[in-house]
Amino acid sequence: EAGVTQFPSHSVIEKGQTVTLRCDPISGHDNLYWYRRVMGKEIKFLLHFVKESKQDESGMPNNRFLAERTGGTYSTLKVQPAELEDSGVYFCASRDGTRYEQYFGPGTRLTVT
Amino acid sequence: GENVEQHPSTLSVQEGDSAVIKCTYSDSASNYFPWYKQELGKRPQLIIDIRSNVGEKKDQRIAVTLNKTAKHFSLHITETQPEDSAVYFCAGSNDYKLSFGAGTTVTVRA
Repeated sequence: EAGVTQFPSHSVIEKGQTVTLRCDPISGHDNLYWYRRVMGKEIKFLLHFVKESKQDESGMPNNRFLAERTGGTYSTLKVQPAELEDSGVYFCASRDGTRYEQYFGPGTRLTVT
Repeated sequence: GENVEQHPSTLSVQEGDSAVIKCTYSDSASNYFPWYKQELGKRPQLIIDIRSNVGEKKDQRIAVTLNKTAKHFSLHITETQPEDSAVYFCAGSNDYKLSFGAGTTVTVRA
């Protein structure tokens, strides 16, 4: 079974530019999560999709962040315009709706200069 | 919301010795506590988890204990090996979103 995949693995952009991160969950997992780890601190929740619907977006930092999951399959997270404090590692995780376990992708390391 | 604290932040052990990582949580409604291991450059990997209706769970050399009254849970690794060197994260959840501790960097000395 293929795991959660994320693209790109690394992205370096300048302040003010736009970046779009992509996550492909494990096939059949309706639940998809975005998390972020900044500056070696704890991994923090951003938002949760159930299929194509946003179940909980309480962790989204501000309106510069836009997440979508059209069709309930892969998800994108767009940051526009990027700020220096957006640098960090963005993780995606997916979960089968009948179980508790969340499986993580390898993350996208975003550097804003 | 849930707040999870994790200690220590770094842990160095001699190969063959045991390692213990402790976490506390704030939300008494939390009912699921996973542990993730992240090796350098790799994804966080779920290594063991425990539900709030269980006090202890073991899987080969790793075990997790949960004290609901005190709101703390711990990861125990016995007979540590070099491949156990990694960052370990604890987490708590009561609504499927995970609240993580800050991580413990474990180094196993040969």
